[in-house]
Amino acid sequence: GQQVMQIPQYQHVQEGEDFTTYCNSSTTLSNIQWYKQRPGGHPVFLIQLVKSGEVKKQKRLTFQFGEAKKNSSLHITATQTTDVGTYFCAGRRSNTGKLIFGQGTTLQVKP
Amino acid sequence: DTGVSQDPRHKITKRGQNVTFRCDPISEHNRLYWYRQTLGQGPEFLTYFQNEAQLEKSRLLSDRFSAERPKGSFSTLEIQRTEQGDSAMYLCASSLTSASTDTQYFGPGTRLTVL
Repeated sequence: GQQVMQIPQYQHVQEGEDFTTYCNSSTTLSNIQWYKQRPGGHPVFLIQLVKSGEVKKQKRLTFQFGEAKKNSSLHITATQTTDVGTYFCAGRRSNTGKLIFGQGTTLQVKP
Repeated sequence: DTGVSQDPRHKITKRGQNVTFRCDPISEHNRLYWYRQTLGQGPEFLTYFQNEAQLEKSRLLSDRFSAERPKGSFSTLEIQRTEQGDSAMYLCASSLTSASTDTQYFGPGTRLTVL
């Protein structure tokens, strides 16, 4: 079945350092979404990528969708303590509403 | 608060008992999803509805699990004869589907503990 893998599982950075998490799907995706979950909270939607090679930015966050629509990345520039949480990618294939989530990357930021 | 709500927030039950959870989606949303999340893992898809129709169900969902959305608004998820392995956070999400997007808004979840 379809699998979505994320690496790394954990990342500890010093405040001000950059952070990147990578997402890979075993199958071609129709679109990919990114969510953030704070400790004790629920996933909160960040962005959706649909087009091959698409790049979107939200302030210090940059999201990319691979040319083959099988991988994606989230890059955070100059991390802040407010960036702490677990970042999930979630992929969707065509003709289905089902989202398959990766295992997540948990980011810790040391002030 | 007009977000997704779930009830109860916590449920402790003994093995073998039946439990039912409720999800109230954002009012105009046509899709409703159920997920299960265990510690250190991403949400695991269980099933989803478009209006009152259950369109897809995970093969991981045993016959002890059933979900309904009878009027296309709120939904219930029932687990019969609970097992300790059912202990998890059960998340509900809703979305308003269009041709270009399907942003899912998650509720706070129901944490189930099976003793």
